Amino acid sequence: TQLLEQSPQFLSIQEGENLTVYCNSSSVFSSLQWYRQEPGEGPVLLVTVVTGGEVKKLKRLTFQFGDARKDSSLHITAAQPGDTGLYLCAGLITNNNDMRFGAGTRLTVKP
Amino acid sequence: KAGVTQTPRYLIKTRGQQVTLSCSPISGHRSVSWYQQTPGQGLQFLFEYFSETQRNKGNFPGRFSGRQFSNSRSEMNVSTLELGDSALYLCASSETPNTEAFFGQGTRLTVV
Repeated sequence: TQLLEQSPQFLSIQEGENLTVYCNSSSVFSSLQWYRQEPGEGPVLLVTVVTGGEVKKLKRLTFQFGDARKDSSLHITAAQPGDTGLYLCAGLITNNNDMRFGAGTRLTVKP
Repeated sequence: KAGVTQTPRYLIKTRGQQVTLSCSPISGHRSVSWYQQTPGQGLQFLFEYFSETQRNKGNFPGRFSGRQFSNSRSEMNVSTLELGDSALYLCASSETPNTEAFFGQGTRLTVV
Protein backbone atom coordinates (compact mmCIF):
# COMPACT_ATOMS: atom_id res chain seq x y z
CA THR A 1 0.00 0.00 0.00
CA GLN A 2 1.35 3.40 -1.04
CA LEU A 3 1.68 5.98 1.71
CA LEU A 4 0.46 8.54 -0.82
CA GLU A 5 -2.49 7.43 -2.93
CA GLN A 6 -2.94 9.19 -6.23
CA SER A 7 -6.14 9.07 -8.23
CA PRO A 8 -7.08 8.43 -10.86
CA GLN A 9 -4.24 6.18 -11.94
CA PHE A 10 -4.92 6.89 -15.61
CA LEU A 11 -6.81 9.74 -17.26
CA SER A 12 -7.43 10.32 -20.95
CA ILE A 13 -9.23 13.48 -22.03
CA GLN A 14 -9.75 15.73 -25.05
CA GLU A 15 -7.93 19.01 -25.54
CA GLY A 16 -9.81 21.85 -23.88
CA GLU A 17 -11.33 19.83 -21.05
CA ASN A 18 -10.72 20.49 -17.37
CA LEU A 19 -9.46 17.87 -14.95
CA THR A 20 -8.53 17.33 -11.33
CA VAL A 21 -6.13 14.74 -9.92
CA TYR A 22 -5.77 13.89 -6.26
CA CYS A 23 -3.08 12.94 -3.79
CA ASN A 24 -4.31 11.54 -0.47
CA SER A 25 -2.77 10.13 2.69
CA SER A 26 -3.52 9.44 6.32
CA SER A 27 -0.18 11.04 7.24
CA VAL A 28 0.44 14.71 7.85
CA PHE A 29 3.03 16.37 5.63
CA SER A 30 5.31 19.30 6.34
CA SER A 31 5.28 20.05 2.64
CA LEU A 32 4.09 18.48 -0.57
CA GLN A 33 5.49 18.71 -4.05
CA TRP A 34 4.03 18.04 -7.48
CA TYR A 35 6.14 16.85 -10.39
CA ARG A 36 5.47 16.13 -14.06
CA GLN A 37 7.45 13.43 -15.81
CA GLU A 38 7.62 12.77 -19.54
CA PRO A 39 8.63 9.36 -20.94
CA GLY A 40 12.35 8.65 -20.59
CA GLU A 41 12.99 11.82 -18.59
CA GLY A 42 13.29 12.68 -14.92
CA PRO A 43 10.44 14.31 -12.99
CA VAL A 44 10.32 18.10 -13.20
CA LEU A 45 9.27 20.02 -10.10
CA LEU A 46 6.09 22.05 -10.66
CA VAL A 47 5.27 23.43 -7.21
CA THR A 48 5.81 23.05 -3.48
CA VAL A 49 2.97 23.72 -1.03
CA VAL A 50 3.67 24.15 2.65
CA THR A 51 0.73 25.75 4.45
CA GLY A 52 -2.58 23.98 5.09
CA GLY A 53 -5.25 25.40 2.78
CA GLU A 54 -2.63 26.95 0.50
CA VAL A 55 -3.54 27.46 -3.15
CA LYS A 56 -0.90 28.07 -5.80
CA LYS A 57 -1.45 28.82 -9.47
CA LEU A 58 0.93 28.14 -12.30
CA LYS A 59 -0.70 29.36 -15.53
CA ARG A 60 -3.54 26.84 -16.15
CA LEU A 61 -2.53 24.65 -13.20
CA THR A 62 -4.00 25.19 -9.73
CA PHE A 63 -2.56 23.33 -6.75
CA GLN A 64 -4.27 23.07 -3.39
CA PHE A 65 -2.97 21.71 -0.09
CA GLY A 66 -5.62 20.35 2.26
CA ASP A 67 -6.35 22.18 5.49
CA ALA A 68 -5.05 19.22 7.51
CA ARG A 69 -2.00 18.87 5.23
CA LYS A 70 -2.90 15.24 4.46
CA ASP A 71 -4.02 15.69 0.87
CA SER A 72 -3.57 17.79 -2.21
CA SER A 73 -5.17 18.33 -5.59
CA LEU A 74 -4.02 19.53 -8.97
CA HIS A 75 -6.56 21.11 -11.30
CA ILE A 76 -5.78 21.78 -14.95
CA THR A 77 -7.97 24.16 -16.93
CA ALA A 78 -8.36 23.81 -20.70
CA ALA A 79 -5.89 20.93 -20.96
CA GLN A 80 -3.50 20.86 -23.89
CA PRO A 81 -1.58 17.97 -25.49
CA GLY A 82 1.59 19.41 -23.93
CA ASP A 83 0.15 18.63 -20.49
CA THR A 84 0.47 14.92 -21.23
CA GLY A 85 2.68 13.15 -18.73
CA LEU A 86 2.94 11.38 -15.40
CA TYR A 87 1.98 13.63 -12.49
CA LEU A 88 3.64 12.66 -9.23
CA CYS A 89 3.05 14.00 -5.76
CA ALA A 90 5.70 13.71 -3.05
CA GLY A 91 5.25 14.50 0.62
CA LEU A 92 7.65 15.23 3.45
CA ILE A 93 6.25 13.33 6.43
CA THR A 94 6.04 15.49 9.52
CA ASN A 95 6.90 12.96 12.20
CA ASN A 96 9.97 11.40 10.63
CA ASN A 97 11.09 13.83 7.93
CA ASP A 98 11.03 11.17 5.19
CA MET A 99 10.09 12.07 1.62
CA ARG A 100 7.68 9.68 -0.08
CA PHE A 101 6.24 9.59 -3.62
CA GLY A 102 2.85 8.54 -4.89
CA ALA A 103 2.56 6.14 -7.83
CA GLY A 104 1.38 8.95 -10.10
CA THR A 105 -1.47 9.81 -12.42
CA ARG A 106 -0.77 9.22 -16.08
CA LEU A 107 -2.54 11.92 -18.08
CA THR A 108 -3.08 11.82 -21.82
CA VAL A 109 -4.55 14.86 -23.56
CA LYS A 110 -5.72 14.10 -27.09
CA PRO A 111 -5.73 16.85 -29.73
CA LYS B 1 23.07 27.08 -13.09
CA ALA B 2 23.47 23.57 -14.50
CA GLY B 3 20.93 20.96 -13.51
CA VAL B 4 21.44 17.48 -12.15
CA THR B 5 23.60 15.40 -14.47
CA GLN B 6 23.39 11.63 -14.60
CA THR B 7 25.71 9.44 -16.60
CA PRO B 8 25.40 7.34 -18.57
CA ARG B 9 21.90 7.92 -20.00
CA TYR B 10 21.56 4.36 -21.24
CA LEU B 11 23.24 1.13 -20.25
CA ILE B 12 22.86 -2.51 -21.24
CA LYS B 13 24.38 -5.16 -18.98
CA THR B 14 24.12 -8.92 -18.70
CA ARG B 15 22.96 -10.85 -15.67
CA GLY B 16 25.63 -11.27 -13.03
CA GLN B 17 27.57 -8.18 -14.00
CA GLN B 18 27.88 -5.09 -11.87
CA VAL B 19 27.20 -1.48 -12.78
CA THR B 20 28.10 1.96 -11.47
CA LEU B 21 25.93 4.99 -12.12
CA SER B 22 27.00 8.57 -11.53
CA CYS B 23 25.16 11.70 -10.43
CA SER B 24 26.44 15.27 -10.28
CA PRO B 25 24.08 17.45 -8.23
CA ILE B 26 23.24 21.08 -8.79
CA SER B 27 26.09 23.30 -7.64
CA GLY B 28 25.69 24.06 -3.95
CA HIS B 29 23.40 21.13 -3.29
CA ARG B 30 24.77 18.75 -0.69
CA SER B 31 22.00 16.16 -0.56
CA VAL B 32 21.60 13.44 -3.17
CA SER B 33 18.86 10.81 -3.29
CA TRP B 34 18.54 7.83 -5.59
CA TYR B 35 15.33 6.22 -6.83
CA GLN B 36 14.42 3.23 -8.94
CA GLN B 37 11.46 3.63 -11.25
CA THR B 38 9.70 0.73 -12.95
CA PRO B 39 6.26 0.59 -14.60
CA GLY B 40 4.96 -1.84 -11.99
CA GLN B 41 6.38 -0.35 -8.79
CA GLY B 42 6.55 3.35 -9.54
CA LEU B 43 9.22 5.48 -7.88
CA GLN B 44 10.99 3.54 -5.13
CA PHE B 45 13.45 5.22 -2.76
CA LEU B 46 16.93 3.65 -2.70
CA PHE B 47 19.08 5.86 -0.46
CA GLU B 48 19.94 9.40 0.46
CA TYR B 49 23.36 10.93 1.07
CA PHE B 50 24.25 14.18 2.77
CA SER B 51 27.77 15.42 3.37
CA GLU B 52 29.24 12.05 2.34
CA THR B 53 27.11 10.12 4.83
CA GLN B 54 24.22 7.81 4.05
CA ARG B 55 21.33 9.37 5.85
CA ASN B 56 18.53 7.05 4.86
CA LYS B 57 18.08 3.76 3.02
CA GLY B 58 15.13 2.18 1.31
CA ASN B 59 14.08 -1.45 1.30
CA PHE B 60 16.51 -2.83 -1.28
CA PRO B 61 18.95 -5.75 -1.04
CA GLY B 62 22.61 -5.24 -0.17
CA ARG B 63 23.51 -5.58 -3.87
CA PHE B 64 22.53 -1.92 -4.12
CA SER B 65 25.05 0.45 -2.60
CA GLY B 66 26.12 4.02 -2.98
CA ARG B 67 28.50 6.68 -1.85
CA GLN B 68 28.97 10.41 -1.96
CA PHE B 69 32.20 12.28 -2.49
CA SER B 70 33.44 15.49 -0.90
CA ASN B 71 32.28 17.49 -3.94
CA SER B 72 28.75 16.08 -3.38
CA ARG B 73 28.87 13.93 -6.51
CA SER B 74 27.36 10.53 -5.88
CA GLU B 75 27.62 7.06 -7.35
CA MET B 76 25.43 4.04 -6.94
CA ASN B 77 26.53 0.50 -7.59
CA VAL B 78 24.51 -2.61 -8.28
CA SER B 79 26.33 -5.92 -8.11
CA THR B 80 25.29 -9.32 -9.45
CA LEU B 81 22.68 -7.80 -11.72
CA GLU B 82 19.32 -9.52 -12.11
CA LEU B 83 16.75 -9.11 -14.89
CA GLY B 84 14.46 -7.39 -12.41
CA ASP B 85 17.00 -4.60 -11.91
CA SER B 86 16.07 -3.22 -15.32
CA ALA B 87 14.67 0.22 -14.58
CA LEU B 88 15.11 3.95 -14.84
CA TYR B 89 17.45 5.05 -12.04
CA LEU B 90 16.88 8.63 -10.99
CA CYS B 91 19.02 10.91 -8.92
CA ALA B 92 17.65 13.98 -7.16
CA SER B 93 19.60 16.74 -5.51
CA SER B 94 18.56 19.27 -2.89
CA GLU B 95 20.30 21.89 -0.83
CA THR B 96 19.78 19.93 2.37
CA PRO B 97 17.84 16.74 3.16
CA ASN B 98 14.13 16.88 2.52
CA THR B 99 14.07 20.28 0.86
CA GLU B 100 12.89 20.72 -2.73
CA ALA B 101 14.35 17.95 -4.87
CA PHE B 102 15.42 18.40 -8.49
CA PHE B 103 15.83 15.33 -10.66
CA GLY B 104 18.27 14.37 -13.34
CA GLN B 105 17.16 12.76 -16.59
CA GLY B 106 17.94 9.33 -15.24
CA THR B 107 19.94 6.33 -16.38
CA ARG B 108 17.98 3.68 -18.24
CA LEU B 109 19.49 0.32 -17.24
CA THR B 110 18.56 -2.79 -19.18
CA VAL B 111 19.72 -6.17 -17.89
CA VAL B 112 19.65 -8.98 -20.44
